[in-house]
Amino acid sequence: DVKVTQSSRYLVKRTGEKVFLECVQDMDHENMFWYRQDPGLGLRLIYFSYDVKMKEKGDIPEGYSVSREKKERFSLILESASTNQTSMYLCASSSPVDGNTEAFFGQGTRLTVV
Amino acid sequence: QKEVEQNSGPLSVPEGAIASLNCTYSDRVSQSFFWYRQYSGKSPELIMSIYSNGDKEDGRFTAQLNKASQYVSLLIRDSQPSDSATYLCAVNRGDTGRRALTFGSGTRLQVQP
Repeated sequence: DVKVTQSSRYLVKRTGEKVFLECVQDMDHENMFWYRQDPGLGLRLIYFSYDVKMKEKGDIPEGYSVSREKKERFSLILESASTNQTSMYLCASSSPVDGNTEAFFGQGTRLTVV
Repeated sequence: QKEVEQNSGPLSVPEGAIASLNCTYSDRVSQSFFWYRQYSGKSPELIMSIYSNGDKEDGRFTAQLNKASQYVSLLIRDSQPSDSATYLCAVNRGDTGRRALTFGSGTRLQVQP
């Protein structure tokens, strides 16, 4: 059974803190993604990675960075958390082998910045 | 114009009826199309994928794709209260090996018992 695991289900952080969101997949997928989901705005792509140490900006990368040191792990970093980063964060992975495979999602991390 | 557009709903249908969910997309070179279901507080789960024009059926679900009109739909036959959820349309973009899905904002479906 495929599995994408996010390190925390709920997080509460203070403004200005550095925040790490971790994601691990056990499917040997090349692609990994970070989305955030807000009411009325749907899922918006923050960053994605198509290989170890490779990354590309998505639609809303400002205020975020990512790290992919190992194939199975993709981390999202909020350098200095702000209240407008309060959101649901979703990690996903996919394989480009046939070009048309779907993305599998983790359970999500609900982050609140106070 | 949003890249992927969906009516936010809620779409309310009685139990046993057919629910019809629609999605339009703006990027003509899009190749792959997906429908995800998301229950409140949960992460999205894939229910259908479609890659070529026409219909694709899987149980009570039928996905329809019309690339000329840039239109994707999902039909749910014999709707059940357990189908009540938000349905997200997703479209692939990017070159081979880097495909990131672009999502619509979702349509909330309510199936009335």
